[in-house]
Amino acid sequence: EIVLTQSPGTLSLSPGERATLSCRASQSVSSSYLAWYQQKPGQAPRLLIYGASSRATGIPDRFSGSGSGTDFTLTISRLEPEDFAVYYCQQYGSSPRGFTFGPGTKVDIK
Amino acid sequence: QVQLVESGGGLVKPGGSLRLSCAASGFTFSDYYMSWIRQAPGKGLEWVSYISSSSSYTNYADSVKGRFTISRDNAKNSLYLQMNSLRAEDTAVYYCARSRQPVHGGYYMDVWGKGTTVTVSS
Repeated sequence: EIVLTQSPGTLSLSPGERATLSCRASQSVSSSYLAWYQQKPGQAPRLLIYGASSRATGIPDRFSGSGSGTDFTLTISRLEPEDFAVYYCQQYGSSPRGFTFGPGTKVDIK
Repeated sequence: QVQLVESGGGLVKPGGSLRLSCAASGFTFSDYYMSWIRQAPGKGLEWVSYISSSSSYTNYADSVKGRFTISRDNAKNSLYLQMNSLRAEDTAVYYCARSRQPVHGGYYMDVWGKGTTVTVSS
Protein backbone atom coordinates (compact mmCIF):
# COMPACT_ATOMS: atom_id res chain seq x y z
CA GLU A 1 0.00 0.00 0.00
CA ILE A 2 1.36 3.38 -1.03
CA VAL A 3 1.40 6.06 1.70
CA LEU A 4 1.42 9.75 0.81
CA THR A 5 3.14 12.32 3.02
CA GLN A 6 2.57 16.05 2.57
CA SER A 7 4.77 18.87 3.80
CA PRO A 8 4.66 21.27 5.40
CA GLY A 9 1.60 20.64 7.50
CA THR A 10 0.86 24.37 7.54
CA LEU A 11 2.21 27.10 5.30
CA SER A 12 1.78 30.69 6.47
CA LEU A 13 2.12 33.17 3.62
CA SER A 14 0.89 36.57 2.51
CA PRO A 15 -1.23 37.32 -0.57
CA GLY A 16 1.00 37.72 -3.60
CA GLU A 17 3.61 35.27 -2.32
CA ARG A 18 4.54 31.97 -3.95
CA ALA A 19 3.41 28.71 -2.30
CA THR A 20 5.23 25.42 -2.78
CA LEU A 21 3.55 22.29 -1.43
CA SER A 22 5.17 18.87 -1.41
CA CYS A 23 3.67 15.39 -1.71
CA ARG A 24 5.94 12.40 -1.26
CA ALA A 25 4.93 8.79 -1.93
CA SER A 26 6.32 5.76 -0.09
CA GLN A 27 7.02 4.11 -3.44
CA SER A 28 7.06 5.23 -7.05
CA VAL A 29 3.74 6.46 -8.44
CA SER A 30 2.88 6.88 -12.09
CA SER A 31 2.49 10.58 -12.84
CA SER A 32 -0.86 9.74 -14.43
CA TYR A 33 -2.09 8.58 -11.05
CA LEU A 34 -1.34 11.75 -9.03
CA ALA A 35 -3.91 14.50 -8.43
CA TRP A 36 -4.30 17.56 -6.21
CA TYR A 37 -7.47 18.97 -4.61
CA GLN A 38 -8.33 22.19 -2.81
CA GLN A 39 -10.80 22.27 0.07
CA LYS A 40 -12.20 25.35 1.76
CA PRO A 41 -14.01 25.21 5.13
CA GLY A 42 -17.50 23.77 4.83
CA GLN A 43 -17.04 22.90 1.16
CA ALA A 44 -16.39 19.74 -0.80
CA PRO A 45 -12.93 19.21 -2.28
CA ARG A 46 -12.32 20.62 -5.76
CA LEU A 47 -10.06 19.00 -8.33
CA LEU A 48 -7.12 21.26 -9.22
CA ILE A 49 -4.52 19.11 -10.95
CA TYR A 50 -4.62 15.63 -12.48
CA GLY A 51 -1.90 13.58 -14.11
CA ALA A 52 0.57 15.42 -11.84
CA SER A 53 0.64 18.52 -14.07
CA SER A 54 -2.63 19.02 -15.97
CA ARG A 55 -4.96 21.72 -14.71
CA ALA A 56 -8.62 20.79 -14.31
CA THR A 57 -11.29 22.76 -16.11
CA GLY A 58 -11.56 26.33 -14.88
CA ILE A 59 -8.46 26.26 -12.70
CA PRO A 60 -6.37 29.46 -12.97
CA ASP A 61 -2.89 29.18 -14.44
CA ARG A 62 -1.30 30.36 -11.19
CA PHE A 63 -1.75 26.74 -10.08
CA SER A 64 0.79 24.29 -11.46
CA GLY A 65 1.84 20.76 -10.67
CA SER A 66 5.10 18.94 -11.29
CA GLY A 67 7.09 15.93 -10.24
CA SER A 68 7.55 12.26 -10.88
CA GLY A 69 8.38 9.01 -9.15
CA THR A 70 7.98 9.65 -5.44
CA ASP A 71 8.16 13.46 -5.30
CA PHE A 72 5.42 15.78 -6.49
CA THR A 73 4.87 19.51 -6.05
CA LEU A 74 1.92 21.88 -6.25
CA THR A 75 2.92 25.49 -6.83
CA ILE A 76 0.71 28.55 -6.51
CA SER A 77 2.66 31.30 -8.23
CA ARG A 78 0.99 34.30 -6.55
CA LEU A 79 -1.46 33.68 -3.74
CA GLU A 80 -4.87 35.26 -4.10
CA PRO A 81 -7.14 35.70 -1.03
CA GLU A 82 -9.36 32.84 -2.24
CA ASP A 83 -6.39 30.42 -2.34
CA PHE A 84 -6.09 30.12 1.44
CA ALA A 85 -7.38 26.60 1.98
CA VAL A 86 -6.28 23.00 2.59
CA TYR A 87 -4.64 21.11 -0.26
CA TYR A 88 -4.61 17.32 -0.61
CA CYS A 89 -2.64 15.11 -2.95
CA GLN A 90 -4.20 11.82 -4.05
CA GLN A 91 -2.91 8.76 -5.80
CA TYR A 92 -4.80 6.02 -7.64
CA GLY A 93 -4.03 2.41 -6.94
CA SER A 94 -4.56 0.04 -9.84
CA SER A 95 -4.44 -3.21 -7.89
CA PRO A 96 -6.60 -3.24 -5.94
CA ARG A 97 -8.35 -0.24 -7.46
CA GLY A 98 -9.00 2.72 -5.22
CA PHE A 99 -7.67 6.05 -4.01
CA THR A 100 -5.34 7.25 -1.27
CA PHE A 101 -5.10 10.80 0.05
CA GLY A 102 -2.25 12.60 1.72
CA PRO A 103 -2.89 14.24 5.12
CA GLY A 104 -3.15 17.71 3.59
CA THR A 105 -1.31 21.04 3.74
CA LYS A 106 -3.10 24.07 5.13
CA VAL A 107 -2.18 27.37 3.49
CA ASP A 108 -3.13 30.19 5.81
CA ILE A 109 -2.70 33.92 5.89
CA LYS A 110 0.44 35.18 7.59
CA GLN B 1 -25.55 21.01 -14.86
CA VAL B 2 -23.41 18.16 -13.61
CA GLN B 3 -24.41 17.47 -10.04
CA LEU B 4 -24.15 14.92 -7.24
CA VAL B 5 -26.44 15.22 -4.22
CA GLU B 6 -25.98 13.03 -1.15
CA SER B 7 -28.71 12.22 1.35
CA GLY B 8 -29.49 9.81 4.15
CA GLY B 9 -27.12 11.03 6.83
CA GLY B 10 -28.17 11.44 10.43
CA LEU B 11 -27.65 10.41 14.03
CA VAL B 12 -27.38 6.69 14.71
CA LYS B 13 -26.39 4.64 17.77
CA PRO B 14 -23.25 2.51 17.80
CA GLY B 15 -24.01 -0.84 16.21
CA GLY B 16 -26.77 0.67 14.10
CA SER B 17 -27.21 0.93 10.34
CA LEU B 18 -27.69 3.70 7.83
CA ARG B 19 -28.06 3.85 4.05
CA LEU B 20 -26.64 6.80 2.17
CA SER B 21 -27.77 7.79 -1.31
CA CYS B 22 -26.17 9.91 -4.00
CA ALA B 23 -28.34 11.23 -6.85
CA ALA B 24 -26.53 12.07 -10.08
CA SER B 25 -27.72 14.44 -12.79
CA GLY B 26 -26.37 16.27 -15.83
CA PHE B 27 -24.19 13.43 -17.11
CA THR B 28 -24.43 9.80 -18.24
CA PHE B 29 -24.16 8.13 -14.85
CA SER B 30 -23.61 4.65 -16.26
CA ASP B 31 -20.39 5.78 -17.96
CA TYR B 32 -18.63 6.61 -14.70
CA TYR B 33 -17.07 4.83 -11.77
CA MET B 34 -18.18 6.19 -8.41
CA SER B 35 -16.61 6.49 -4.97
CA TRP B 36 -17.52 7.36 -1.41
CA ILE B 37 -15.03 9.46 0.54
CA ARG B 38 -15.42 10.59 4.13
CA GLN B 39 -13.98 13.28 6.35
CA ALA B 40 -14.11 13.02 10.13
CA PRO B 41 -14.53 16.30 12.02
CA GLY B 42 -11.32 18.34 11.74
CA LYS B 43 -9.54 15.56 9.85
CA GLY B 44 -8.41 14.83 6.30
CA LEU B 45 -10.03 12.93 3.48
CA GLU B 46 -10.37 9.15 3.62
CA TRP B 47 -11.43 7.13 0.58
CA VAL B 48 -14.08 4.59 1.64
CA SER B 49 -15.28 2.62 -1.37
CA TYR B 50 -15.28 2.40 -5.17
CA ILE B 51 -17.64 0.80 -7.70
CA SER B 52 -17.24 0.27 -11.43
CA SER B 53 -19.75 1.59 -13.94
CA SER B 54 -21.45 -1.81 -14.32
CA SER B 55 -21.13 -2.78 -10.62
CA SER B 56 -18.86 -5.67 -11.59
CA TYR B 57 -16.02 -4.36 -9.42
CA THR B 58 -16.11 -2.97 -5.89
CA ASN B 59 -13.42 -2.24 -3.35
CA TYR B 60 -13.33 -0.96 0.20
CA ALA B 61 -10.94 0.64 2.64
CA ASP B 62 -9.79 -1.80 5.31
CA SER B 63 -11.50 0.37 7.95
CA VAL B 64 -14.97 -0.43 6.55
CA LYS B 65 -14.50 -3.80 4.84
CA GLY B 66 -17.16 -6.28 5.92
CA ARG B 67 -19.40 -3.55 7.38
CA PHE B 68 -20.16 -1.26 4.41
CA THR B 69 -21.58 -2.20 1.01
CA ILE B 70 -21.49 0.05 -2.05
CA SER B 71 -24.04 -0.36 -4.82
CA ARG B 72 -25.58 1.58 -7.68
CA ASP B 73 -28.73 1.67 -9.79
CA ASN B 74 -27.89 3.05 -13.23
CA ALA B 75 -31.58 3.19 -14.18
CA LYS B 76 -32.16 5.55 -11.27
CA ASN B 77 -28.83 7.44 -11.63
CA SER B 78 -28.12 6.64 -8.02
CA LEU B 79 -25.26 5.44 -5.84
CA TYR B 80 -25.70 3.92 -2.40
CA LEU B 81 -23.67 3.08 0.68
CA GLN B 82 -25.16 0.62 3.15
CA MET B 83 -23.41 1.08 6.48
CA ASN B 84 -23.84 -1.59 9.17
CA SER B 85 -22.28 -2.12 12.59
CA LEU B 86 -21.53 1.57 12.83
CA ARG B 87 -18.87 2.81 15.23
CA ALA B 88 -18.10 6.21 16.72
CA GLU B 89 -15.10 6.46 14.41
CA ASP B 90 -17.42 6.32 11.38
CA THR B 91 -18.68 9.80 12.31
CA ALA B 92 -17.88 11.98 9.31
CA VAL B 93 -19.14 13.93 6.34
CA TYR B 94 -19.61 11.43 3.52
CA TYR B 95 -19.04 12.60 -0.05
CA CYS B 96 -19.80 10.83 -3.29
CA ALA B 97 -17.57 11.57 -6.28
CA ARG B 98 -17.25 10.39 -9.87
CA SER B 99 -14.25 9.28 -11.88
CA ARG B 100 -13.88 8.10 -15.45
CA GLN B 101 -13.29 4.48 -16.25
CA PRO B 102 -9.62 3.57 -15.66
CA VAL B 103 -9.14 2.74 -19.35
CA HIS B 104 -10.11 6.36 -20.04
CA GLY B 105 -7.73 7.79 -17.47
CA GLY B 106 -10.08 7.67 -14.50
CA TYR B 107 -7.38 8.19 -11.91
CA TYR B 108 -8.95 11.17 -10.14
CA MET B 109 -12.37 12.43 -9.04
CA ASP B 110 -13.57 15.44 -10.98
CA VAL B 111 -17.08 15.98 -9.58
CA TRP B 112 -18.00 15.82 -5.90
CA GLY B 113 -21.24 16.20 -4.01
CA LYS B 114 -21.58 18.55 -1.06
CA GLY B 115 -21.70 15.71 1.43
CA THR B 116 -24.03 14.29 4.05
CA THR B 117 -23.21 14.10 7.76
CA VAL B 118 -23.24 10.84 9.70
CA THR B 119 -22.97 10.97 13.47
CA VAL B 120 -22.58 7.74 15.45
CA SER B 121 -23.26 8.36 19.12
CA SER B 122 -25.28 6.94 21.99
